[in-house]
Amino acid sequence: GQNIDQPTEMTATEGAIVQINCTYQTSGFNGLFWYQQHAGEAPTFLSYNVLDGLEEKGRFSSFLSRSKGYSYLLLKELQMKDSASYLCAVREGGGADGLTFGKGTHLIIQP
Amino acid sequence: DTAVSQTPKYLVTQMGNDKSIKCEQNLGHDTMYWYKQDSKKFLKIMFSYNNKELIINETVPNRFSPKSPDKAHLNLHINSLELGDSAVYFCASSQFPLSGRRDTQYFGPGTRLTVL
Repeated sequence: GQNIDQPTEMTATEGAIVQINCTYQTSGFNGLFWYQQHAGEAPTFLSYNVLDGLEEKGRFSSFLSRSKGYSYLLLKELQMKDSASYLCAVREGGGADGLTFGKGTHLIIQP
Repeated sequence: DTAVSQTPKYLVTQMGNDKSIKCEQNLGHDTMYWYKQDSKKFLKIMFSYNNKELIINETVPNRFSPKSPDKAHLNLHINSLELGDSAVYFCASSQFPLSGRRDTQYFGPGTRLTVL
């Protein structure tokens, strides 16, 4: 079966760094995505990894280890607006199939 | 300049009714999707569709059916609505995925369905 695990909730301080982990066990693997979702809004794309290693994009970085079935999203210089849910999602196949999402990590930023 | 749009944003209806949610994308994408997000915020794929195939998540009841009049639209029809259908439904689109190719999905704003 498919299993994508992330912590349910995390708290961090404004200006600090936080790492959100995601582990996955899926029947196939064709890329891992991170999405941000503010309450009452649509998920918005943050990052994509298909090869092992780190992808950096401004204050956000994402890491992938396919052999370990593991990814993390690193957020630096945290701002209050970063308070949101962060969704880890795996694309399993190469055809027109959708993403398999984890249950999301609710990140709370404190002043 | 909305990339993926859905209507209506809110839908309140009685049990047993039939309703539709519309989705349109102006990104020129080949593939469209419907996701359901339940009260625990768990986002789950329902359908994915392009001009070659319809993939249905086996857990979706056959009361739900996608209908695509053209490549830019994928509407969701729901028959005989039940209380458990209450959720937020998101439409999304992407370029037709090829192996090893980046395939970002862009989500619509969501439709909050409440069944009374």
